[in-house]
Amino acid sequence: AQSVSQHNHHVILSEAASLELGCNYSYGGTVNLFWYVQYPGQHLQLLLKYFSGDPLVKGIKGFEAEFIKSKFSFNLRKPSVQWSDTAEYFCAVMPQKDSSYKLIFGSGTRLLVRP
Amino acid sequence: DAGITQSPRHKVTETGTPVTLRCHQTENHRYMYWYRQDPGHGLRLIHYSYGVKDTDKGEVSDGYSVSRSKTEDFLLTLESATSSQTSVYFCAISDMGTHTQPQHFGDGTRLSIL
Repeated sequence: AQSVSQHNHHVILSEAASLELGCNYSYGGTVNLFWYVQYPGQHLQLLLKYFSGDPLVKGIKGFEAEFIKSKFSFNLRKPSVQWSDTAEYFCAVMPQKDSSYKLIFGSGTRLLVRP
Repeated sequence: DAGITQSPRHKVTETGTPVTLRCHQTENHRYMYWYRQDPGHGLRLIHYSYGVKDTDKGEVSDGYSVSRSKTEDFLLTLESATSSQTSVYFCAISDMGTHTQPQHFGDGTRLSIL
């Protein structure tokens, strides 16, 4: 079965620390990959996406992610976090052969950034 | 932000009662989705629609039904609500045609079943 694993459920960092959130997926075919962010009390917003080409993708607010096909991973990074990055982060995959275009989500990582 | 309105935003009801949640979009997108969000599970797909009157089940569809009589509206019904359906429900929409379109999400409905 297709699945997405986010290894860290809770992460606590101080401002200016570097961030890396892990995401691994289980699927034998080609996928599109996404990171969404959910700020407290808000809906999910797209941070970045990968479809093809350069495996290092840049998103909004200084976030980037690297697709490593051999490791089935799509880790999210940010060199220096801010207090405003406190949120829950979701990795999601979309199998390219799935005509429903549905997303399969990981369980999420809650990030708390301390001032 | 995409034009997605979910209603109601909050609802408290009792076990055994029927509940209908509404998702309304102004983007004319073909695909619409209902997810539930629970701690430790992320978002799980309940049902989705790929056109008017065209719907299909997701991974957690038991106890839920949907209808889409117009492009802009996608209704989620809990026929007889149970406490296990207490959750936050998100509607999402996506443009048609390719796998390169991200889904856009509504603000969610917080449903509590007592």
